[in-house]
Amino acid sequence: QKEVEQNSGPLSVPEGAIASLNCTYSDRGSQSFFWYRQYSGKSPELIMSIYSNGDKEDGRFTAQLNKASQYVSLLIRDSQPSDSATYLCAVNLPVGGYNKLIFGAGTRLAVHP
Amino acid sequence: GAVVSQHPSWVICKSGTSVKIECRSLDFQATTMFWYRQFPKQSLMLMATSNEGSKATYEQGVEKDKFLINHASLTLSTLTVTSAHPEDSSFYICSARKEANQPQHFGDGTRLSIL
Repeated sequence: QKEVEQNSGPLSVPEGAIASLNCTYSDRGSQSFFWYRQYSGKSPELIMSIYSNGDKEDGRFTAQLNKASQYVSLLIRDSQPSDSATYLCAVNLPVGGYNKLIFGAGTRLAVHP
Repeated sequence: GAVVSQHPSWVICKSGTSVKIECRSLDFQATTMFWYRQFPKQSLMLMATSNEGSKATYEQGVEKDKFLINHASLTLSTLTVTSAHPEDSSFYICSARKEANQPQHFGDGTRLSIL
């Protein structure tokens, strides 16, 4: 079982719709969770950090964390074509005395006009 | 805040050359910096983790004598690809983190092409 799992997509949504991206993780010791966006040919860009159960909103983005279910999600409201990118879920795991960021393989989002 | 600068953006050089890539955290002190490699249409692959003032920790399968990492200060880490060959051509990305539970912030990456 992979440590961080995401559906690779592509997830295709129309402009203006809500895009829902999901991620599950295997280690219950994980304490911090992140969503990154990566455009093709570019480096990842941090979108959201979430540390406690519940929802965290920032503009059009909402991150949701459920530690009991080992599940973290990202909702993008009013999706725009510029949101088309690969979204990486990342989980901090304590490994060998330091925290290591484990990435999912990413979900490719396509927002069509 | 949390800006990471990586230089150079592009390198094209001949086989056998050594190439140095710099990674700087501009507005914070990074206790830990990371180096990743990414091949086209593939996931990020962590190469090594570097803490200021100590030796880097390399991931399994990454040759430490080929990929030299120096983390001389809390704002600067360098990756030197020694005697580079065409198979080393890739997108190299650094990241920096202020504290253990904080997110990593990525540089813009360096596209390395070895002829």
